[in-house]
Amino acid sequence: DAGVTQSPTHLIKTRGQQVTLRCSPKSGHDTVSWYQQALGQGPQFIFQYYEEEERQRGNFPDRFSGHQFPNYSSELNVNALLLGDSALYLCASSGLGGGYEQYFGPGTRLTVT
Amino acid sequence: KNEVEQSPQNLTAQEGEFITINCSYSVGISALHWLQQHPGGGIVSLFMLSSGKKKHGRLIATINIQEKHSSLHITASHPRDSAVYICARSNFGNEKLTFGTGTRLTIIP
Repeated sequence: DAGVTQSPTHLIKTRGQQVTLRCSPKSGHDTVSWYQQALGQGPQFIFQYYEEEERQRGNFPDRFSGHQFPNYSSELNVNALLLGDSALYLCASSGLGGGYEQYFGPGTRLTVT
Repeated sequence: KNEVEQSPQNLTAQEGEFITINCSYSVGISALHWLQQHPGGGIVSLFMLSSGKKKHGRLIATINIQEKHSSLHITASHPRDSAVYICARSNFGNEKLTFGTGTRLTIIP
């Protein structure tokens, strides 16, 4: 049983560009949450998707958007990249079948230059 | 004030020592999570608990709902336990996690 997978592993972008990160949840999970972790900080909640809709959102600007597909996989899009967007982006999946415990992917490390 | 506070921020101990990491939270919860993060970033969920105590191998997590406090204990610590340990709260099990700042644990052989 594959756990949560994320792609790509690493990414380097230039200021002003746009980026798309991808996440496939653990089998049986229907909810995907995205977190941003700056260096030396704890993860910060970006948003959560359930049934292909954004169910909750943290304190992030509209430059951060997402999508969930019918197979429960999810994308995180960031437009007009800023240097401050450099971080580890973590995806977590959960669902009723797992008792709502969140399982994390390995993360995508984004560097904006 | 952060909703979730952890102490200590850094902890260095000798192999074999008993380790305690503390977590306090300021608002009510329905679940308290303990997670482990190794260098390189991957986060592993260790425990999710809403009352009492849970044990898995050498790891024990306890929670006192009235005092809004939780502890993570590691018995017979080993260098492979070296990692950042993070506690996080959620209102309901499937909602967003609000993380503490983490405790960096280093176990010296």
